[in-house]
Amino acid sequence: AQSVAQPEDQVNVAEGNPLTVKCTYSVSGNPYLFWYVQYPNRGLQFLLKYITGDNLVKGSYGFEAEFNKSQTSFHLKKPSALVSDSALYFCAVSPANTGGFKTIFGAGTRLFVKA
Amino acid sequence: DAGVIQSPRHEVTEMGQEVTLRCKPISGHNSLFWYRQTMMRGLELLIYFNNNVPIDDSGMPEDRFSAKMPNASFSTLKIQPSEPRDSAVYFCASSFYGLAEVSYEQYFGPGTRLTVT
Repeated sequence: AQSVAQPEDQVNVAEGNPLTVKCTYSVSGNPYLFWYVQYPNRGLQFLLKYITGDNLVKGSYGFEAEFNKSQTSFHLKKPSALVSDSALYFCAVSPANTGGFKTIFGAGTRLFVKA
Repeated sequence: DAGVIQSPRHEVTEMGQEVTLRCKPISGHNSLFWYRQTMMRGLELLIYFNNNVPIDDSGMPEDRFSAKMPNASFSTLKIQPSEPRDSAVYFCASSFYGLAEVSYEQYFGPGTRLTVT
């Protein structure tokens, strides 16, 4: 079965410290990988994606993620967290054989950044 | 760009009533997705359209749910009759898929919070 796992329900980090939000996936074939962020009472906002090419992708607001094929992971990172980064983060995968249409979302990880 | 527009933002209805949720995708996007978000089940894909044609509705929970896309700028998700377990936030998202260019990422609307009593 195709799935996305975000092993941490919540991540706590102090402002200014680096942050990592973990994601692993299980899909057949090549995956298209995404990170989205959701603020309270808002829709999801696209942060970054990996389709092909360089395994390290950079996105909005200073976030980046690294595609690791052998570990089937796509962890989200930021060198220095801000209080305003506090939100719900979703990892998503779209199997390439669906043409990128069918996107499976993880359960989400809530990030708290303390001042 | 106005982004994806959804209406209403909040809907409270009684069990058994018909509910219609509306979505206007981003101009120029040719794919549209309906999702449901609950605490228990997370974010679930219900149905998606490409060029106004439903491609996959395997996520639609029951026959009580139906979705249409009569043109490139409008889609509806209808629940008839509604039940308390349908209470959730319903999101519409759009994207662009073309022969030469594909964006893959989806742009979400603000959602409709549905409460069925």
